[in-house]
Amino acid sequence: GAVVSQHPSRVICKSGTSVKIECRSLDFQATTMFWYRQFPKKSLMLMATSNEGSKATYEQGVEKDKFLINHASLTLSTLTVTSAHPEDSSFYICSARDRGFGEQYFGPGTRLTVT
Amino acid sequence: EDKVVQSPLSLVVHEGDTVTLNCSYEVTNFRSLLWYKQEKKAPTFLFMLTSSGIEKKSGRLSSILDKKELSSILNITATQTGDSAIYLCAVNAGGTSYGKLTFGQGTILTVHP
Repeated sequence: GAVVSQHPSRVICKSGTSVKIECRSLDFQATTMFWYRQFPKKSLMLMATSNEGSKATYEQGVEKDKFLINHASLTLSTLTVTSAHPEDSSFYICSARDRGFGEQYFGPGTRLTVT
Repeated sequence: EDKVVQSPLSLVVHEGDTVTLNCSYEVTNFRSLLWYKQEKKAPTFLFMLTSSGIEKKSGRLSSILDKKELSSILNITATQTGDSAIYLCAVNAGGTSYGKLTFGQGTILTVHP
């Protein structure tokens, strides 16, 4: 199947700092990428939809100034958690939609811990 | 608002048993329903079901979409301990939210030896 990578896989940062997470589609072009957040033993919560070359669409309740999304190319989207706080600690997962087939493939996720 | 509900929320079986996981949905502009398996990391894709492909099978896993009942089932036969995971159902709705997936709560499957 298609491969989506995320970097870093795990990050620990201090409160008040910013963290950038990268999501790449390795063997296909993704016009749309999605960012999710997952709490322990819970399902995925969509945060925002990232379209290449345009502004991201945020879900209700997600602060766009706090979770900055950039989708500069057909294979790369980034999520920056600005001024992170302990409550931002979570598992962040991206997915990329294959332009050709419409299926979504998930990255391995990034475990963020804010101390 | 789009809604996806999975049942049961958790299931414990023994190796060799057959399990059926359920997913029901209420969405506008239904395009497809997807099943994922999640172990320790991010979900891995299992099946995508659409109006033109309402039944899929891969090894011991199979899935059926019932568009009339707005539901889907995921069957796993001869379960193995490696099948232990969270199984997620998601629906892809069209219109302005094209490509956006709405997930169910997931079913936690535990297979004992």
